[in-house]
Amino acid sequence: DQQVKQNSPSLSVQEGRISILNCDYTNSMFDYFLWYKKYPAEGPTFLISISSIKDKNEDGRFTVFLNKSAKHLSLHIVPSQPGDSAVYFCAASSISGGYNKLIFGAGTRLAVHP
Amino acid sequence: DAMVIQNPRYQVTQFGKPVTLSCSQTLNHNVMYWYQQKSSQAPKLLFHYYDKDFNNEADTPDNFQSRRPNTSFCFLDIRSPGLGDAAMYLCATRGPNWANEKLFFGSGTQLSVL
Repeated sequence: DQQVKQNSPSLSVQEGRISILNCDYTNSMFDYFLWYKKYPAEGPTFLISISSIKDKNEDGRFTVFLNKSAKHLSLHIVPSQPGDSAVYFCAASSISGGYNKLIFGAGTRLAVHP
Repeated sequence: DAMVIQNPRYQVTQFGKPVTLSCSQTLNHNVMYWYQQKSSQAPKLLFHYYDKDFNNEADTPDNFQSRRPNTSFCFLDIRSPGLGDAAMYLCATRGPNWANEKLFFGSGTQLSVL
C-alpha cells in the first residue's frame, strides 16, 4: 500500500531547461511534504519542504508546488544543471496527526545532460 | 563535518550469521530512525526511537532488532540475515519539533548477504 508514489522512475532534461518531478499521495492526513536528493553512495540530503497551509515554496532554483485537492506535489528545478543529476525522493508526514515518521516515494532519477 | 555517521559503509555477512550496523550522531537529536532501502524502491521505515521510546513498524520482521544505549548511538541488529535482507540501511535523526524540521541522514551501510 504505497501512500506516496513517484510514477516516473527516470527523467532526462537538457542543461538550462526546467526539470519537473512529480509526486502523488493518497493519505489525506499528510500535511508536511519534503523533497530529498540522493547521490550514489551517499545518504539522502534535504532539498526543500512545504506544509499544507501553503501551495508554493521557493528556494533559489527549486520550487515545490502543492495541490491538496489533487493530492499532488511537484518539484521544479530551473535552470537545470548537470550537478542536479541525482535521485529525488518525495516524502510526506502528518504533523497534526502525530506522525513521527516520513513516508517516502520510490524516487525519480534525474539526468541533466549538456 | 559528518553529523550522522554510519559504520561500516559496506558490510558483507553470511546467510544466517548475525550482523550489527551502527549509527552515531553529533546533533544531539532525540529522534533516530532506521530505514531499509532496496534497489529502486522507496526507503522503508523499520523502527524509530523517540528518546528511549522504541517504536516498531507493524511489518518489520522480528529478525530485526535495535538498541539505543544513549542519545548519540543507535544499533541495528539482524539476528539471522537472509538473502532478502541485502539492502542499503539508512540511519536518520531529527530534533523534537516536527514543524519545519527535517531528517538528517547518514551515508548508509550497504549490506550484502552471501
